[in-house]
Parts: sequence; structure tokens; C-alpha cells
Amino acid sequence: AQTVTQSQPEMSVQEAETVTLSCTYDTSESDYYLFWYKQPPSRQMILVIRQEAYKQQNATENRFSVNFQKAAKSFSLKISDSQLGDAAMYFCAYRETSGSRLTFGEGTQLTVNP
Amino acid sequence: DSGVTQTPKHLITATGQRVTLRCSPRSGDLSVYWYQQSLDQGLQFLIQYYNGEERAKGNILERFSAQQFPDLHSELNLSSLELGDSALYFCASSEDPGTSGRGEQFFGPGTRLTVL
Repeated sequence: AQTVTQSQPEMSVQEAETVTLSCTYDTSESDYYLFWYKQPPSRQMILVIRQEAYKQQNATENRFSVNFQKAAKSFSLKISDSQLGDAAMYFCAYRETSGSRLTFGEGTQLTVNP
Repeated sequence: DSGVTQTPKHLITATGQRVTLRCSPRSGDLSVYWYQQSLDQGLQFLIQYYNGEERAKGNILERFSAQQFPDLHSELNLSSLELGDSALYFCASSEDPGTSGRGEQFFGPGTRLTVL
């Protein structure tokens, strides 16, 4: 079974600084999707960024970018110019291309200090 | 706003009772997924329906059941409730059956279930 691991239960960053959240996963599949979801205090799950495993180019969405290392099965999220609104729980998630369910990591609680 | 709606937002009930959670997917989405978020289990996939038919099953208890109706809304039924069933239940939807497309799932705001 696929597993997703986020080894940092909590992280903090100063406003306007850069922070990187780590995620590793275990799979025997060669094609799959990876996602980062954000869950603010409202508890809404918001998709931040997605990566397709067959694409070597790292995905970027404005201030959010990923470092996808397929051989190492690593998928980290970099948040640049951190803002107070970035404070949330961040979940890494995996989905097989041929499958349907999302498998989530344990989450990283990000605090942004003014 | 993801376009996925869930009702009710909060539900408080007693052990042994039965409740129904409702979800309406985004317009055009045929797939509905149910997830449970609890402190001890994290975020877990429960079940998926595609165009009215069950497509995939995860860690869903036998006391729980779901269905998707012809108008594509879905209901999750939880019966013989236990204290440990207290959790946030999310519904998500996607435009593909899970086997193609961009792979994205869009989440509703969740239903907070408290079992006393």
C-alpha cells in the first residue's frame, strides 16, 4: 500500500521569508499524481499545487513551488514571501494515475510570525 | 468556494444513533468521494461513487454506507454511532472517474460530527 510521510509536525516562518515543507512517499507505481492541500482554521481543504510524476519540471503556482525528486520519492513544498494567510495545516497527498483515492500524510502545521 | 456543498455543517448526536450526511458535487462532476478526518486516524478515504455506482472502497466501517443519487448528490449514512466516530467528514468531487484527467479532487467544507 502507498504511504505518505510528513516528518515535520510543526514549522514556523517569519513573514516575507521562505519555508520548505517536506514530504516523502512510498509507491511501486511509475505514474501518479502528488498534491499539496492547505487546511486553514476554517477546516476547508484547499488545493495548493499538483505534480504529475511523468513530468520532470517542478510545478509552480505563484509563491508556491515544489521540488519533486522521483528517484528519492520526495515532494517538498516551498512557500516564498510567506504571508500571514499562509498559516495553516498543510497536507501532502498521493494518487495513482489509475486509481481514485487520495492518500494523505499526517500534516505539517505552519505558523507565520509577523 | 470549491463548488462542493455539504450539509449539515455541524451535527451533535448520541451513541447508538443514526445520521445522514449530504453532499452535492460541483456542477458537471460525476465522481464523489467521502473522507474522514479524525485526530487519531488523520485523513482517510472511505468510499467513492461515480455516476451512481460504487467505484472504490477504503477504510469504511460496516456500520457506514453511502449512495449516489441520479441527480449526483451523495449521502453518507452512519449508524450505531460510537464515540470514536466523532470526526470531520469531507465530501470531494472530480470530473473524471479517477482514472484520467488532472487527478484533482475538490473538497466541500465538511460536516463536523460529534457523538456524545
